[in-house]
Amino acid sequence: GAVVSQHPSRVICKSGTSVKIECRSLDFQATTMFWYRQFPKKSLMLMATSNEGSKATYEQGVEKDKFLINHASLTLSTLTVTSAHPEDSSFYICSAPPGQGNYGYTFGSGTRLTVV
Amino acid sequence: AQSVTQLDSQVPVFEEAPVELRCNYSSSVSVYLFWYVQYPNQGLQLLLKYLSGSTLVESINGFEAEFNKSQTSFHLRKPSVHISDTAEYFCAVNAGGTSYGKLTFGQGTILTVHP
Repeated sequence: GAVVSQHPSRVICKSGTSVKIECRSLDFQATTMFWYRQFPKKSLMLMATSNEGSKATYEQGVEKDKFLINHASLTLSTLTVTSAHPEDSSFYICSAPPGQGNYGYTFGSGTRLTVV
Repeated sequence: AQSVTQLDSQVPVFEEAPVELRCNYSSSVSVYLFWYVQYPNQGLQLLLKYLSGSTLVESINGFEAEFNKSQTSFHLRKPSVHISDTAEYFCAVNAGGTSYGKLTFGQGTILTVHP
């Protein structure tokens, strides 16, 4: 079945630094990738939609300059948290639809970001 | 816009007992419905989905959910739980069309199975 590989699974960084999270579709092409953020003991909130070959679409309230999204190819989407601060600490998960009409969304394994 | 409400944040249950995790949604259009399971520090795994057809859908590990349009519900049930079912469960909806791929999640229900 469709697999999305997300790396790193866990990262600790210092305040002010940037962190890049990668999501790769391993056995299918993903022209679209969704990025979610999960706060502790809360649900997942859609942050943005990355589109191969065009700019990402951000949900209301999400800072575009802080959360840079790039969809470099049909199999790779990246989320970069720039100038990270402790409040950016969270669990970030990507998701890809494996095919038009197939609603079996596939999720990455998630990245636990801790900013100290 | 869609919204999802999971009525119970935590559900403790003993092993081999039945369980029901409740999910209600609101939407002005027809939706697709999903249940996902998340183990600690892991991503989400699709448990089951309702797209169309039979309103009762089943997963390979004994869970089932029934789509009830009149009550706008999609409750998850299992007749006999195992310790390994301990996890957090999320109900989600998608309206399709231009919203394709965007899932709206409920708040999650932590299922704890005690021996």
